[in-house]
Amino acid sequence: AQTVTQSQPEMSVQEAETVTLSCTYDTSESNYYLFWYKQPPSRQMILVIRQEAYKQQNATENRFSVNFQKAAKSFSLKISDSQLGDTAMYFCAFLTRTYNQGGKLIFGQGTELSVKP
Amino acid sequence: GAVVSQHPSRVICKSGTSVKIECRSLDFQATTMFWYRQFPKQSLMLMATSNEGSKATYEQGVEKDKFLINHASLTLSTLTVTSAHPEDSSFYICSARPPEGWKVQYFGAGTRLSVL
Repeated sequence: AQTVTQSQPEMSVQEAETVTLSCTYDTSESNYYLFWYKQPPSRQMILVIRQEAYKQQNATENRFSVNFQKAAKSFSLKISDSQLGDTAMYFCAFLTRTYNQGGKLIFGQGTELSVKP
Repeated sequence: GAVVSQHPSRVICKSGTSVKIECRSLDFQATTMFWYRQFPKQSLMLMATSNEGSKATYEQGVEKDKFLINHASLTLSTLTVTSAHPEDSSFYICSARPPEGWKVQYFGAGTRLSVL
């Protein structure tokens, strides 16, 4: 069974600085996707970034980038130039293809990020 | 991006009553919808996968008679919490997957259920 682990329950960063959130996962599959989702106080889940396992190049989306280490099963999220609006719970998630060919998301425990002015 | 509407956003009910939560995909057809439960400061736990025109598939430990799921059309899935009790109080979130993209899920804004 796949598992996703986020070992940092809470983190804080000063506005404009850089922060890295950690995520490790365990799977025997070779083809899968990894995601970072943001859940602000409104509780709406927002997709931050997606990584395809067969792509070695790390995904980037503006201020957000990942460090994907497939052999180590590590998938960290780097937020550059942190903004107050980045304050949220961040979830790392793994998408498997082995469930009814539809895939189900497996979420980590979450990291609560606070950006301080 | 695609929009998933979840209604109601908040509901308060008395113990023993049933509550229905709706999840609609507004601008795409969703052959598969997912229902999650989230406790405060915790992760999303998948409760069940809802496929249009067939019975839902429940995750281990989820009572199918307590949480009734109906996916009657390609744009609507409903979750009914039957004979709700205070321990059912939680935040329920749905997501919808378009038929062409197994790697894509669009999330609703969630429903906060409080059972008195």
